[in-house]
Amino acid sequence: ILNVEQSPQSLHVQEGDSTNFTCSFPSSNFYALHWYRWETAKSPEALFVMTLNGDEKKKGRISATLNTKEGYSYLYIKGSQPEDSATYLCAPHDDKIIFGKGTRLHILP
Amino acid sequence: NAGVTQTPKFRILKIGQSMTLQCTQDMNHNYMYWYRQDPGMGLKLIYYSVGAGITDKGEVPNGYNVSRSTTEDFPLRLELAAPSQTSVYFCASRIRLAGGNTQYFGPGTRLTVL
Repeated sequence: ILNVEQSPQSLHVQEGDSTNFTCSFPSSNFYALHWYRWETAKSPEALFVMTLNGDEKKKGRISATLNTKEGYSYLYIKGSQPEDSATYLCAPHDDKIIFGKGTRLHILP
Repeated sequence: NAGVTQTPKFRILKIGQSMTLQCTQDMNHNYMYWYRQDPGMGLKLIYYSVGAGITDKGEVPNGYNVSRSTTEDFPLRLELAAPSQTSVYFCASRIRLAGGNTQYFGPGTRLTVL
């Protein structure tokens, strides 16, 4: 079972500000890392799948980086908007996909 | 494609009752997963399957059983429902190709055990 840590647990950010948060995972036997966006009362929505050390992925104002040697990934949100309020989950995986507890992001107007 | 579908959407069970949560995907995905949503704990993996006829335990398998007789279907069985199994259950699937692939989630089943 992969041990996944996400920090911070909760984050309040002023609208328009940029922010980032962390996913830490064991670096041995790494295969791939998923990032998901999860709104209340909805299903998780895939953001990125990352596999290579040094990978950088971008989707609009959201981007992510991956360091498999040291076992971490960062998710960045540029110019936060109210619709960015959600829980962001990361999940490293082999055949199993084990999720971290997530970072709950609140955007303040 | 309908994607990943789950039935029922909602269900209330009495303690000790049994039920099966249905999950079907029409994307020909070989991997399928069952998760439960625990408050403050995110998603916990119950069981998963890498193909028809193959299943394996996740983080929290106790009190549940699964089967995978076809590629499309991955039902989750609760034999003796307990209040601790009150949760939202998500089924997910993905195809296994080199480099990792996106996991697609169903809409969830909200289960209450009283």
